[in-house]
Amino acid sequence: EVQLVESGGGLAQPGRSLKLSCQASGFIFRDYTVTWFRQAPGKGLEWVGLIKSKPFGETTEDAASVRGRFIFSRDDSENIAYLQMNNLKVDDTGVYYCTRGIGAIFGVPYGLDVWGQGTTVTVSS
Amino acid sequence: DILMTQSPLSLSVIPGEPASISCRSSQSLLFNNGNNYLDWYLQRPGQSPQLLIYLGFGRASGVPDRFSGSVSGTNFTLKISRVEAEDIGVYYCMQALQTPRTFGQGTKVEIK
Repeated sequence: EVQLVESGGGLAQPGRSLKLSCQASGFIFRDYTVTWFRQAPGKGLEWVGLIKSKPFGETTEDAASVRGRFIFSRDDSENIAYLQMNNLKVDDTGVYYCTRGIGAIFGVPYGLDVWGQGTTVTVSS
Repeated sequence: DILMTQSPLSLSVIPGEPASISCRSSQSLLFNNGNNYLDWYLQRPGQSPQLLIYLGFGRASGVPDRFSGSVSGTNFTLKISRVEAEDIGVYYCMQALQTPRTFGQGTKVEIK
């Protein structure tokens, strides 16, 4: 079964760090860009950023709201992607999802057909 | 950033009746390969989003054929030919042409 499973969420104080994981199974993980989204409580979906596959240099792109604080990485040998979240802010609170796409243009996916179940991050003092 | 505007923001439908959701992009989502990079997602209560439509009108695997997407310039439409109880949730359009990816505000669909 094609699957993505996020973990690592929890409660953190403002200014602290958390590291999320996205474990893939059932498909050739190294061939896919991993995109992260988040959803604040009661709000819509927000694109956080992505890490491309090796053929695209494992380059990353991120939202302006997280730039300089969040780091995207991957370990294709373990079929896992990471989201290192530093200097957390209250506005980072939400459910974080990792995804893969049906296709891609220049390594950036469209048609996000696999979503994890999400992991909840709460930033509060 | 590309602005996505959905309407209506809420919809109450009778089972068996059709429903339609509109999404407008602030700029063209047409790439030079002829594809419009617009996805539709459904997020059922308490669940992760689910892909319904990609490239404006391509139905994702396992999606019932009562769901269809259409494109007219920068206007995109998701149609449900006959709404069923399991179709309740929030529908989002997302532009997949540029980063940052951006979503419409969401349309909440409930059953009358």
